[in-house]
Amino acid sequence: AQSVTQLDSQVPVFEEAPVELRCNYSSSVSVYLFWYVQYPNQGLQLLLKYLSGSTLVKGINGFEAEFNKSQTSFHLRKPSVHISDTAEYFCAVSDRARGGADGLTFGKGTHLIIQP
Amino acid sequence: DGGITQSPKYLFRKEGQNVTLSCEQNLNHDAMYWYRQDPGQGLRLIYYSQIVNDFQKGDIAEGYSVSREKKESFPLTVTSAQKNPTAFYLCASTLGQPNTEAFFGQGTRLTVV
Repeated sequence: AQSVTQLDSQVPVFEEAPVELRCNYSSSVSVYLFWYVQYPNQGLQLLLKYLSGSTLVKGINGFEAEFNKSQTSFHLRKPSVHISDTAEYFCAVSDRARGGADGLTFGKGTHLIIQP
Repeated sequence: DGGITQSPKYLFRKEGQNVTLSCEQNLNHDAMYWYRQDPGQGLRLIYYSQIVNDFQKGDIAEGYSVSREKKESFPLTVTSAQKNPTAFYLCASTLGQPNTEAFFGQGTRLTVV
């Protein structure tokens, strides 16, 4: 079984400031890791994913995340945020041994609020 | 354009009624999924299907049923046994191993009246 903890339910940030959204996971098996973004009343869009290889992964819209196996973390970062980044962000994991075929386990989400 | 289409966008249900949410994909994906989203709760897996005519229960399957008669379609029925059905429902699909990226539909918001 897996679980995902997103440590902050809301993160307010001023425009053009850097931001970090924190994600920790717990799993008895090896996992794949994902960050998704959701705009109001819409579906989820993939920001980035870690499957293997380099622990620093880059995604769309200037976001990046670093996988830290020893700390079981996968924090999301952006050096300079824009108003358009206001959204809900979800961290998720899936079972690597099963190729992720049996679905994703999500955190409860972090609402990123960009202040002008 | 390829994608996942969920319909309707908004759905109202009376107490004791069954309702069916539609999910269609033209991505030629093998696996399809239904998630429920409640405020502050993230997404929770209801059912998933890796191939036609086969599906498995997720974490919160009670009060729901699904079918997978065609590769493109994975409808979800919310039955009267589901005691608290008001939620946002999201359908997703994946190509399958090793590419595990999930593509999501735009969701259906179900409200019990």
